[in-house]
Amino acid sequence: GNSVTQMEGPVTLSEEAFLTINCTYTATGYPSLFWYVQYPGEGLQLLLKATKADDKGSNKGFEATYRKETTSFHLEKGSVQVSDSAVYFCALFNYGGSQGNLIFGKGTKLSVKP
Amino acid sequence: EAGVTQSPTHLIKTRGQQATLRCSPISGHTSVYWYQQALGLGLQFLLWYDEGEERNRGNFPPRFSGRQFPNYSSELNVNALELEDSALYLCASSLVLQETQYFGPGTRLLVL
Repeated sequence: GNSVTQMEGPVTLSEEAFLTINCTYTATGYPSLFWYVQYPGEGLQLLLKATKADDKGSNKGFEATYRKETTSFHLEKGSVQVSDSAVYFCALFNYGGSQGNLIFGKGTKLSVKP
Repeated sequence: EAGVTQSPTHLIKTRGQQATLRCSPISGHTSVYWYQQALGLGLQFLLWYDEGEERNRGNFPPRFSGRQFPNYSSELNVNALELEDSALYLCASSLVLQETQYFGPGTRLLVL
């Protein structure tokens, strides 16, 4: 079946530190991969996506590369800001046998201190 | 372009009552999805509607139901509310069977 595993948080960093949030997946075929972000008290916002192997998604200084050989889609940012404090969700969508829904990881809470 | 909208923002009910949550998709999107985000349980898929039909449902009891209207907006109904139904209910929309789903701000349901 399809599944997503994220590193457990919370992750606490100082402003301008480097961020990595690990995400690995299990899926048949060729899923599309996503990172969503949830700010306190809000819904989910699409942060970035990649639809095939070796694609790099990027947005707002965040990047993630779709690595089929390691079944990974790790989120990185070179210099975090206090405003990046949020919960980050890795997700996949698999057309093959798709039931229409995204499969989410459990989320990683990031706190950035000034 | 307007995003996905949901109403109400907050809803307080007592156990045994019924709750109705509403969602309007992005213009042009025909698929609507409902997810539950309960404390400690992550994001769980509830229902998927497309072109007015229920296409799939997650592992939830039948008291969770819904419908999609001709204008593609959707309603989620939860009957016989239980305390553990307290959660943030998120609606998302997409073009039909497109992988990118866009989420609304959610409805926070509290069951007392």
